[in-house]
Amino acid sequence: GNSVTQMEGPVTLSEEAFLTINCTYTATGYPSLFWYVQYPGEGLQLLLKATKADDKGSNKGFEATYRKETTSFHLEKGSVQVSDSAVYFCALSEKTAGNKLTFGGGTRVLVKP
Amino acid sequence: DTGVSQDPRHKITKRGQNVTFRCDPISEHNRLYWYRQTLGQGPEFLTYFQNEAQLEKSRLLSDRFSAERPKGSFSTLEIQRTEQGDSAMYLCASSQRLGGGDTQYFGPGTRLTVL
Repeated sequence: GNSVTQMEGPVTLSEEAFLTINCTYTATGYPSLFWYVQYPGEGLQLLLKATKADDKGSNKGFEATYRKETTSFHLEKGSVQVSDSAVYFCALSEKTAGNKLTFGGGTRVLVKP
Repeated sequence: DTGVSQDPRHKITKRGQNVTFRCDPISEHNRLYWYRQTLGQGPEFLTYFQNEAQLEKSRLLSDRFSAERPKGSFSTLEIQRTEQGDSAMYLCASSQRLGGGDTQYFGPGTRLTVL
């Protein structure tokens, strides 16, 4: 079956530091890949997505590249802000499986001023 | 632009009681998904609908759980004879089926506590 593995947190950073959250996946077909973010007290929001190999998703200064050869979709941001403190979830979906999302366990990120 | 809404936001119940949650998707979306999220974990798929048809149910969805989407609009998730292990956040998401990579938009969730 499909699965997503992401680095465990919490990750604690200072403002303006570089952030990387590793995500690898196992899928039976050709999945689409997503990063969702959950800010404190709020619901899940889509941060970015990529639907095929070598695609780069980007939003709000975050980027992730779909790497089929390493089955990875690592999230990066060059300079984090306190407002980026949240829980980040990597996920995949497959068209042949009704596009239901399979999530990783989430990575809590805390950015200190 | 109205997003996905869920009602109630919080529900506290005693073990053995029945509970029902409601989800209203984004109006033009034809797919609706239910997920369950326990503390410190990622959401897990429960079931999904395309229009009014329930197309898949996870093994997580025991026979105490039932979901409906009459007329392909709002959906309800009912849990009968609740157990303490049912305590979780129940999330609803909707999407417009476009093929691969359609984006799911999530509601705020219903937090269930079973005493």
